[in-house]
Amino acid sequence: GAVVSQHPSWVICKSGTSVKIECRSLDFQATTMFWYRQFPKQSLMLMATSNEGSKATYEQGVEKDKFLINHASLTLSTLTVTSAHPEDSSFYICSARGGGNTDTQYFGPGTRLTVL
Amino acid sequence: GDSVTQMEGPVTLSEEAFLTINCTYTATGYPSLFWYVQYPGEGLQLLLKATKADDKGSNKGFEATYRKETTSFHLEKGSVQVSDSAVYFCALSNSGYALNFGKGTSLLVTP
Repeated sequence: GAVVSQHPSWVICKSGTSVKIECRSLDFQATTMFWYRQFPKQSLMLMATSNEGSKATYEQGVEKDKFLINHASLTLSTLTVTSAHPEDSSFYICSARGGGNTDTQYFGPGTRLTVL
Repeated sequence: GDSVTQMEGPVTLSEEAFLTINCTYTATGYPSLFWYVQYPGEGLQLLLKATKADDKGSNKGFEATYRKETTSFHLEKGSVQVSDSAVYFCALSNSGYALNFGKGTSLLVTP
């Protein structure tokens, strides 16, 4: 149980285009989902927290107009990187919390974004 | 603010050696503590957790005890295997909020 999927697992796009990443909780309802960014050989940096049906809460320094987050249902959250640039290339990871356990987060496998 | 400090890697051990990865934290209140593992090319997996002082989390031969007096949550395993090679992250969650991660410790186990 407690499986979180992400799609796509990797994506390459041209500079200036937008990319959407999906995060789904497959066997539980996720009241809260989190989006992290991980740079090579570094830790995860929280980007934003999203609660189903409400606007995402962004961490300081994260551009909300660039990283659009939608959490339209209890099983799906999306991150859209708008007008992507090479410096946005990174590993994006989502996690979900719910299913009666408020402490534990379950992580998706991550999405590798490369912007050319 | 809350923070997690874990030992710098990489850590290289021979198979069947004893493993300790140190983790200390700074937090207000009573956070929950976690160890996550990230195998090469994969996402993070929850390894074990503890939610209150003196709790011991354990899984797959790994153990960690929540020590409030020393604000620590050190990860241990009595006999590591090659398949344990991965990056290990210590993390805390306060009041059910987002996880606050340490920088990660890379472990390489050689045959």
